[in-house]
Amino acid sequence: DSGVTQTPKHLITATGQRVTLRCSPRSGDLSVYWYQQSLDQGLQFLIQYYNGEERAKGNILERFSAQQFPDLHSELNLSSLELGDSALYFCASSPGRLNTEAFFGQGTRLTVV
Amino acid sequence: KNQVEQSPQSLIILEGKNCTLQCNYTVSPFSNLRWYKQDTGRGPVSLTIMTFSENTKSNGRYTATLDADTKQSSLHITASQLSDSASYICVVSGPSGGYNKLIFGAGTRLAVHP
Repeated sequence: DSGVTQTPKHLITATGQRVTLRCSPRSGDLSVYWYQQSLDQGLQFLIQYYNGEERAKGNILERFSAQQFPDLHSELNLSSLELGDSALYFCASSPGRLNTEAFFGQGTRLTVV
Repeated sequence: KNQVEQSPQSLIILEGKNCTLQCNYTVSPFSNLRWYKQDTGRGPVSLTIMTFSENTKSNGRYTATLDADTKQSSLHITASQLSDSASYICVVSGPSGGYNKLIFGAGTRLAVHP
């Protein structure tokens, strides 16, 4: 158990809908990263937050948004969903300091039908 | 451009054999390099982490090497087991405005056959 909790584990929704994925980082970790992994693909970096502030942005679509709350948990919002958004979405957390490790949650499997 | 390239893309070996996975990177500045193991449908789990001054680090049957001059790393798996079947991901991090920036390789998919 990495200490990073993602909910829900599975999500099935229809095209055009909006969903929210939640991530609770390890206790004390200030950095949260979101990644998308489509079938048989590598991890694609979406966005990073550090202590509530957006720090880095990857290939995140405009239909997607995220935020990190004062209690450090984070939410990834996906809207106007398309079939191609079906993927595993991973959250990782780290203390945020250099040379520290990132720990991954078990992911949320999103299926858009 | 900061990049991490892994080879081979996929690999099939027989149980009990050894194998070596490669990672080349162009990330600069450099903080550390990590190897993760990702079982299908699960989150990546860290195997090793090495900083600039470390040349080799072992974790059981996994041994990682780092040549910071040539910006190359390898992950050697000894006496492979069926449970080693997974994707192995090389991740390089570097400071960016005082925070860690992680650059992921695409991974090597390893299949160990009996």
